[in-house]
Amino acid sequence: EVLLVQSGAEVKKPGESLRISCKASGYTFTDNWIGWVRQKPGKGLEWMGIIYPTDSDTRYGPSFQGQVTISVDKSITTAYLHWGSLKASDTAMYYCVRRGWGDYYDYWGQGTLVTVSS
Amino acid sequence: DIQMTQSPSTLSASVGDRVTITCRASQSISNWLAWYQQKPGKVPKLLIYKTSSLESGVPSRFSGSGFGTQFSLTISSLQPDDFATYYCQQYQSYPITFAGGTKVDIK
Repeated sequence: EVLLVQSGAEVKKPGESLRISCKASGYTFTDNWIGWVRQKPGKGLEWMGIIYPTDSDTRYGPSFQGQVTISVDKSITTAYLHWGSLKASDTAMYYCVRRGWGDYYDYWGQGTLVTVSS
Repeated sequence: DIQMTQSPSTLSASVGDRVTITCRASQSISNWLAWYQQKPGKVPKLLIYKTSSLESGVPSRFSGSGFGTQFSLTISSLQPDDFATYYCQQYQSYPITFAGGTKVDIK
């Protein structure tokens, strides 16, 4: 069974750094790209970016380039999303997703709620 | 970037209704389109990929069609479990883009 299990909810202050994680299991981690999708409260889905675990080839959405870093640790089949300096506008639910045979997303993590507030 | 637009943004319907949601791309995306369903407080779920391919386990009352810039998702007979928000997503090119969603609620 394919599972993407994300780290727990976070409450941070503006300017703080944060890394959230997504532990993959049930498939060969290096076979599929893995990405992140943001959903602000009451809003739609936004594609943040995606990484290929085999070689760490990464693509970012234009709104997220330079704002976050996506990485993986193949040894523990885990993907990460990192912020160097959080803003209040980063408050959202973040989902990790597994890319299917095309760039659609067939498996989703349970989501990590990030709240940024002073 | 390819812009995706859905209509309507909200749709009120009754159990048993045939429901169609449309999705438009700002340029041709061939058939590289997916549909997702999201219920309140839940994780989005893949329904359809490559315009019309039903994801495993998805009921056959869901169907997709279209090509190029115009697409649709049809629910042939709306069931109580189908009240949710639906999103289309293009994967013709990066950046991947989603439309704003269509909320299907109870009339």
